[in-house]
Order: sequence, then C-alpha cells, then structure tokens
Amino acid sequence: GEEVAQTPKHLVRGEGQKAKLYCAPIKGHSYVFWYQQVLKNEFKFLISFQNENVFDETGMPKERFSAKCLPNSPCSLEIQATKLEDSAVYFCASSQRGDRNYEQYFGPGTRLTVT
Amino acid sequence: AQSVTQLDSHVSVSEGTPVLLRCNYSSSYSPSLFWYVQHPNKGLQLLLKYTSAATLVKGINGFEAEFKKSETSFHLTKPSAHMSDAAEYFCVVTSTGGFKTIFGAGTRLFVKA
Repeated sequence: GEEVAQTPKHLVRGEGQKAKLYCAPIKGHSYVFWYQQVLKNEFKFLISFQNENVFDETGMPKERFSAKCLPNSPCSLEIQATKLEDSAVYFCASSQRGDRNYEQYFGPGTRLTVT
Repeated sequence: AQSVTQLDSHVSVSEGTPVLLRCNYSSSYSPSLFWYVQHPNKGLQLLLKYTSAATLVKGINGFEAEFKKSETSFHLTKPSAHMSDAAEYFCVVTSTGGFKTIFGAGTRLFVKA
C-alpha cells in the first residue's frame, strides 16, 4: 500500500494483560521502526527492522516488549503484562532504505490505554 | 552523539504573520534533518528534509527551512501563517546510516484569528 497502516486504532487493556499492535509498512519499504509517544509528546525509539531482521533494539524494554516482522505478514509489537506507564500512542514508520537521506513515513498510530 | 533542541515549547502567532520555529542540533557526523508536523490525533507528516544538498529547503504548504552549519541550526519558517497550520511540529535528526533517529521535544504552534 501507499500508506503505513496500523491496527487497532485504540486498544484498552487492564494492567497485567497482553497487548498486541500491528503495522503494515508501505510496499517496497525495507525498514520498519516503532516509536512510543507519551503524554509530553516525547518520541521514544523502540526498535527497527531491516526486512524481517532486527536492526536496532536498543530502545526496547526487553523484559516485557517484543516485536516481529515476518515475511508476508504485518509487523507486530507485543507487550506482555502491561503496566500503567505503557499507556501511550505507538507509531510505526517505514522507510525505503536505512540511509540517513531517506525519510520515514509514519502510520496514524495505535493509542494504548492501560487501566 | 546526536541531540536535537527545539527552543520553544509553544509559539503563538496571528493569522497572516510570519512563523519561526527554532531547532538546533548536535551531531558527530553529517546529519540529515527533517521537520514533521502532527495534527491532533494524527500521525506525523513530513514537511521538508535536508540531506546535504541545497541549504535552503522548501517544503509543503509554504514552509521552508535553512540549514546553517556554523550555527548548528535548522529553523522552520513560513511567511504567512494560516489557521490550518496550528499543530505540533517536530525537528528530527538522523546520522550516517539512518538508524539513529532523534526527535526534538516538539513545538506547539497556535494561530490566532
């Protein structure tokens, strides 16, 4: 597709429940990025993929967060045992290449509310 | 190491007056710089980018930005604000390899009628 698609738009989970978010990158884009935007608008980088391979996961809280990009499937970001502080908007972005000259195209985001 | 500083958290202008949103960066390598806009409850839309070509970059909706290496700045300007410009604006820097993307804290632009 021509746009990055993210589902669901909104997700509400009780504390301790699992949350799974999906992202379909733009067709032909090799790189996928996940970001967390918290209330103060700060964007926190979580993880990036080059095709199905993890490229940079330095931002991931590994004890509860995991992500995958499998061939012919949407990418996913999963949070096991959600906590209140996980409430945020999660953005997925894709890029044609990993070169610094290539901009990232952002999806509309998934708003996760943990109650 | 890279960093991005957006010097104003809020900017308020009247419709029809110029807009200036300030961004300073720090990068050990030749950076690429981007400005994105985020309207309420929406994703980020690219306004313009600098990638070591022309230092004055023109973007969509009448926005432009000038890369000034000596001042490590990449300020966003528009000659005449429109009500529809009211949004959050993010200055973003990426380094060689593009794998490290650093966002500024954002500047909220208010446009008064």
